[in-house]
Amino acid sequence: EAGVTQSPRYAVLQEGQAVSFWCDPISGHDTLYWYQQPRDQGPQLLVYFRDEAVIDNSQLPSDRFSAVRPKGTNSTLKIQSAKQGDTATYLCASSLGGEQYFGPGTRLTVL
Amino acid sequence: GQQVQQSPASLVLQEGENAELQCNFSTSLNSMQWFYQRPGGSLVSLFYNPSGTKHSGRLTSTTVIKERRSSLHISSSQTTDSGTYLCALEPPEGADRLTFGKGTQLIIQP
Repeated sequence: EAGVTQSPRYAVLQEGQAVSFWCDPISGHDTLYWYQQPRDQGPQLLVYFRDEAVIDNSQLPSDRFSAVRPKGTNSTLKIQSAKQGDTATYLCASSLGGEQYFGPGTRLTVL
Repeated sequence: GQQVQQSPASLVLQEGENAELQCNFSTSLNSMQWFYQRPGGSLVSLFYNPSGTKHSGRLTSTTVIKERRSSLHISSSQTTDSGTYLCALEPPEGADRLTFGKGTQLIIQP
């Protein structure tokens, strides 16, 4: 069974540029999570979905970040105008009502 | 204050030594999870431990709710154990809202 996949694995951009991250969860998992993990920190939940519905996006900086999961399967996290403080690893996880399974993450560096 | 505190922040040991990692929490929980993260890699779940002691090979997890602590013990460490170990608190409302500690960076030298 394939695990959670994410792309790209790495991204480097200048402040003000936009970037999108893509996540393909484990087949059949109804819940999908996006986490931000700054260097030397633990992952912090940004947003999560059950099927196509957003359940909690209270920690998502809504002025620049957006996330969608239109068909309840794959998901995209987008940063409109990146800042240096967005430098972090972005992790996607999925679950079916219990244990979360994590993808390899996308490491973002904003110069 | 931070709900989940891990210690030590980093630990350097010689191969063969035992490692003891601690996680203290300040809120009620449903369970504590321990994860292993390779440098630049994904998280791998090691233990789901609501209370008591669980074993998996050279790894042992102990959660004592009334003392608000959980520990991860690695016996006879190997260089391949090097990486970051994270604990995550699952609150009573369910597994969707994990709160992670900052992690312990473990380095095992040959």
